[in-house]
Order: sequence, then structure tokens, then C-alpha cells
Amino acid sequence: DAKTTQPTSMDCAEGRAANLPCNHSTISGNEYVYWYRQIHSQGPQYIIHGLKNNETNEMASLIITEDRKSSTLILPHATLRDTAVYYCIVRSTGTASKLTFGTGTRLQVTL
Amino acid sequence: GAVVSQHPSWVICKSGTSVKIECRSLDFQATTMFWYRQFPKQSLMLMATSNEGSKATYEQGVEKDKFLINHASLTLSTLTVTSAHPEDSSFYICSASLPVGNEQFFGPGTRLTVL
Repeated sequence: DAKTTQPTSMDCAEGRAANLPCNHSTISGNEYVYWYRQIHSQGPQYIIHGLKNNETNEMASLIITEDRKSSTLILPHATLRDTAVYYCIVRSTGTASKLTFGTGTRLQVTL
Repeated sequence: GAVVSQHPSWVICKSGTSVKIECRSLDFQATTMFWYRQFPKQSLMLMATSNEGSKATYEQGVEKDKFLINHASLTLSTLTVTSAHPEDSSFYICSASLPVGNEQFFGPGTRLTVL
């Protein structure tokens, strides 16, 4: 699976949009971009995933560049409960392919 | 959404004893489950992939005789840490894969402390 690069940490004011970038320049055609987050001392939580089109769900939006070499996770109105480590993972298709976690971005939402 | 549980949520044991951790998919059948380990301030590291009815596939560097995995049903996988030592103290997390769609859903984790 392709490697991803994320900033180590970011801050965001509560109520503002949090934009978390991810570089995956070696992504191949059959690989999806997945985002998970992990709140302290809990298991990771699935957020969203996409192949090449932008995706939106009740938690977030995922913007993937046309060349698919980078993406941005957007939390439209960050709250204190969104403080977590956010992992961007590139993963091939197929049943039960494994997830390889990098170091992620530690997002701190502040008042 | 799909729910995965783990039991116990935390355990403290003496060095040399064995500890069993259970991972259950509560509202779906999971043909594949995964076991991860996370040391403080580090990322999750995949230990093994567990398929129902067959032997687990271990990642490089993970001792299969020390970390016994059993996946006897479509809703239950167990990880047994045998002859635990203080260096095995960690946060153990399982995940289960939906049969369709490929998303993995994670359990809440089990914190193991070996004295």
C-alpha cells in the first residue's frame, strides 16, 4: 500500500472548519483513501473513504485532488470532541485488506 | 453502524501468566478480524490477521506462539498473550471487517499491564 504523509499536529478553533491535509503521491489506481481518527485511549473510529470523487457524510468531507496524489479531510464545524489523532491511510481494494497506520495528525480543537 | 466490543477493557496480571482478550462483532458477521498493538505515544501496529476457521497470519516480528489467536466463529476472535512479561504491557485493539464494503470497525481496546 502507498505511504502517506501528514502534518504532525494542527490546531483549530471551535466552530471553525478543520482542514487536515494528506499526501499520497505514490497511490495507485485501485487504492482508496481512508480516514480514521483515534480519541485518546479509545479504538480508532472510521470517518470516511473515497477513490477519486469527493465524498461527504455526516461527519466530514473528503476532497481528493484530480491526480489523486493528495487529499484533505474537512470537519466543517470542529468541536472540542473532535480533538483526536487523525489517520490518513491508503488501502487497496479487496476483502479484508489490512490497514497500515502512520503517525497521523494530532488535531487540537481549542475554545 | 457496526459495533465491535472487546473484553476486558483493562487487565492487570503478574509476569508469567497468560491473558485472554475477546473481540466480538455484535451486529454483523466478520470473516476477518485484525489485532493491533499500540504502545504509548505510538501508532497502531498490526499484529495479525485472523480468518474464521483458519490459522491467523502474523506480521513480521510477531511471535505466533506467544500471541495465540483463535477465530472459532464469525463473531468472535480471541487473543491470548502467553507468559506475559512487562514489555507486553500495551493497548491491544481488534477490528472486524464487514463482509461487504471493506470497512474495518474497531473495538474500544484492552489495556494490558503486566507487573
